[in-house]
Amino acid sequence: GNSVTQMEGPVTLSEEAFLTINCTYTATGYPSLFWYVQYPGEGLQLLLKATKADDKGSNKVFEATYRKETTSFHLEKGSVQVSDSAVYFCALSDPNTGNQFYFGTGTSLTVIP
Amino acid sequence: DTGVSQDPRHKITKRGQNVTFRCDPISEHNRLYWYRQTLGQGPEFLTYFQNEAQLEKSRLLSDRFSAERPKGSFSTLEIQRTEQGDSAMYLCASSLSRSFVEKLFFGSGTQLSVL
Repeated sequence: GNSVTQMEGPVTLSEEAFLTINCTYTATGYPSLFWYVQYPGEGLQLLLKATKADDKGSNKVFEATYRKETTSFHLEKGSVQVSDSAVYFCALSDPNTGNQFYFGTGTSLTVIP
Repeated sequence: DTGVSQDPRHKITKRGQNVTFRCDPISEHNRLYWYRQTLGQGPEFLTYFQNEAQLEKSRLLSDRFSAERPKGSFSTLEIQRTEQGDSAMYLCASSLSRSFVEKLFFGSGTQLSVL
């Protein structure tokens, strides 16, 4: 079946530190992969996506590379800010139908000044 | 684009009561999803509509749960005879099915507490 496994949190970093949040997936086919972010009191927002192997999803500050050989989609940011404090969810979409999304358990990030 | 809105934001009810939540998707979006999220977990798929047709239902959606999208616009999720285990955040999301890869737009959710 389809599933997503994320590194457990919470993660606490100092401002300007490098961020990596690990995500691995299991899928029966060739899924599309996503990172969503949830700020306190808000709904989930799409951060970036990648649709095929070796694609790099990016939103200019965050990035993640679709690695088929390691079934991974790790999220990275070079220099975190206090405003990046949120919960980050890795997700995949069902390759057979594209209609069902599978989410990881989320990783809580706190950035301290 | 006013985003996906959900009502109410919070609902406290007693066990055994019925509750109904409403979701208004982004106006041109033809797909609408309901997810449930419990503390420390990611969203879990409940059901999905394309226009007014309910196309998929999760095994999580017991007989006490029913969802409708009568005119292909807003949707309601009703839980009958609520149980304490129903306490969770109920999330609605919508999307436009232009391509195989969708981008989901989420509402802020309805937090249900069953006492």
